[in-house]
This record gives sequence, C-alpha cells and structure tokens, in this order.
Amino acid sequence: RKEVEQDPGPFNVPEGATVAFNCTYSNSASQSFFWYRQDCRKEPKLLMSVYSSGNEDGRFTAQLNRASQYISLLIRDSKLSDSATYLCVVNMAGTGANNLFFGTGTRLTVIP
Amino acid sequence: EPEVTQTPSHQVTQMGQEVILRCVPISNHLYFYWYRQILGQKVEFLVSFYNNEISEKSEIFDDQFSVERPDGSNFTLKIRSTKLEDSAMYFCASSGEGAYEQYFGPGTRLTVT
Repeated sequence: RKEVEQDPGPFNVPEGATVAFNCTYSNSASQSFFWYRQDCRKEPKLLMSVYSSGNEDGRFTAQLNRASQYISLLIRDSKLSDSATYLCVVNMAGTGANNLFFGTGTRLTVIP
Repeated sequence: EPEVTQTPSHQVTQMGQEVILRCVPISNHLYFYWYRQILGQKVEFLVSFYNNEISEKSEIFDDQFSVERPDGSNFTLKIRSTKLEDSAMYFCASSGEGAYEQYFGPGTRLTVT
C-alpha cells in the first residue's frame, strides 16, 4: 500500500488554463501536508503547506479533506514557468520526527 | 534567503568504496534529514537527526549508512561500502524548531560504477 498516491499525469495544458491535482494518503493520523514542485533533476522546492481550512497563495489554492484523506492543488492562470512535477508530501504520524513521505509526483507541462 | 548547500554536486565512485556526502543546513535550523531519489522514482526518506542523534531512520538506512554532525555547521552522510543500487540523488533537508516545513539542498548525484 502506497503512503501517498498521485495521478502521474502528464497534464498538458495551454497557458492561462486552470489545472487541478489530487492526492490521497493512507495514514489517517498524518498531521502535516505539503505541495512541493520539482524541476527536472533538481531538488524539491516547497510550494505551500496545506492547512485544514484550505489556503491560497496567489494563483495556487490547496485544500485538505481529512475525512477522505485527500489533498488537492489548484493552479489558476497557468504560466509556462509552472511546468514542473508537483509532489504531494505528507508527514507520517507516530514517528518521532517530521519524516516526509512523497508521492511519485504529477507532471505538468504548460504549452504556449 | 538562507539555503541548504551540498557538496559535491556529483560524485562517481567504484563499488565497495566509501563516500561522504556533505551538507550545510540553514544556520538556525535544528532538524536535519537525508533523502534519496533513484532516477525516475519518488523521493524516499532515509534518516532524521536532532540534538546530535538519529531521531528516525527508514529500512533503507542500514548498517552501511551513518550520519554525523562533526561541527556546528556540517551534516554528513557516509556510505561505507557502496553498491550499484546506491546510485541516486541524495538530498539533505533541514527544518527549524516547531516547523514542519523542510527545505532541501540541491542534491548530490552519486554514481556507483
């Protein structure tokens, strides 16, 4: 059983489009949730933390549904620079530290 | 903006050799981590380190691996006898007190031949 599951894509969208990514996690006691982006052969970069009430940062909106163990990321008005792999990341409750578990990522390509 | 740094960016070694990967976490951070990513696969947790000791380690982090904070700034990962399957990108990350957000370094690409 995978701790974090994501649709691998690829998602190919035109500039200006709205795109949504979804993710499910297996451990109902998980406490922290994040979206990272990863460019090819680069490190994961924190995009945003995901809070229970949902949160927005500019064109990006993240939602958390604890009952369904589901996390989403919405990107509005896509830019060419948004092309990357988006990683759903969850910490595992019950561990002593903040160990993160990563999904395999969803690849996004924004087309001119 | 403070960053995690890692050296070297690329390390090529022969099977059976020892390697040490180096990281300088963000200066006021207290939690340190190593992750690895085999090409084409997901990022995997290896080990976390706090207060000069290992907090947690994964099944991947066997007796071949060790971590150390030899001074106030560096955090190292040692692989004692490298295997072909150790070839991967190794990322160091750090987080501050009470903060769950982890910031990653640029990685060291390890190639075992």
